[in-house]
Amino acid sequence: GAVVSQHPSRVICKSGTSVKIECRSLDFQATTMFWYRQFPKKSLMLMATSNEGSKATYEQGVEKDKFLINHASLTLSTLTVTSAHPEDSSFYICSATQGNINTGELFFGEGSRLTVL
Amino acid sequence: AQSVTQPDIHITVSEGASLELRCNYSYGATPYLFWYVQSPGQGLQLLLKYFSGDTLVQGIKGFEAEFKRSQSSFNLRKPSVHWSDAAEYFCAVTGTASKLTFGTGTRLQVTL
Repeated sequence: GAVVSQHPSRVICKSGTSVKIECRSLDFQATTMFWYRQFPKKSLMLMATSNEGSKATYEQGVEKDKFLINHASLTLSTLTVTSAHPEDSSFYICSATQGNINTGELFFGEGSRLTVL
Repeated sequence: AQSVTQPDIHITVSEGASLELRCNYSYGATPYLFWYVQSPGQGLQLLLKYFSGDTLVQGIKGFEAEFKRSQSSFNLRKPSVHWSDAAEYFCAVTGTASKLTFGTGTRLQVTL
């Protein structure tokens, strides 16, 4: 299957700093990428949907100024957590699809664990 | 709005025993259904998916799932569990919006 890679896999930062997480589709062009947040022992919560070259669509309750998403190319999307605080500590997972998920498949990255001190 | 319910938060089975993980969904039209597995600290791996056709779907690692429209269910099964199957399992549904809605997950523990 197709490979989606996230970097970094783990990051620890101080409160108030910004952190960037990258999501890359290694062997296919991802028309759409999704960013999820997973709380401990909880399900995945969709944060936003990003299409290459356009603004991300954020889910209700997700602060777009807090979680900046850029999908500059068909193989790269980035999530920047701005002015991070301890409550932003979480496991962030991206996924990518080549086309419509109804006919295609969603490929997930390995996840990035963010710890804000 | 679409939703997924996984009634069992935690299940423990003995190695070699059969397994069934329950999943119920709510969706107004024909759903597209998925089962994913997540090992600790890892991303998600697709086990199987149902889009249309045969309601019994075969997946990887010996898993299968059956779509039952009348019961709004898509339960995951495996006839003989291996210790390496211990993980978190997520059921998910999507429609035409192309956005997955996940259940809360079922943690599978396998005893030797």
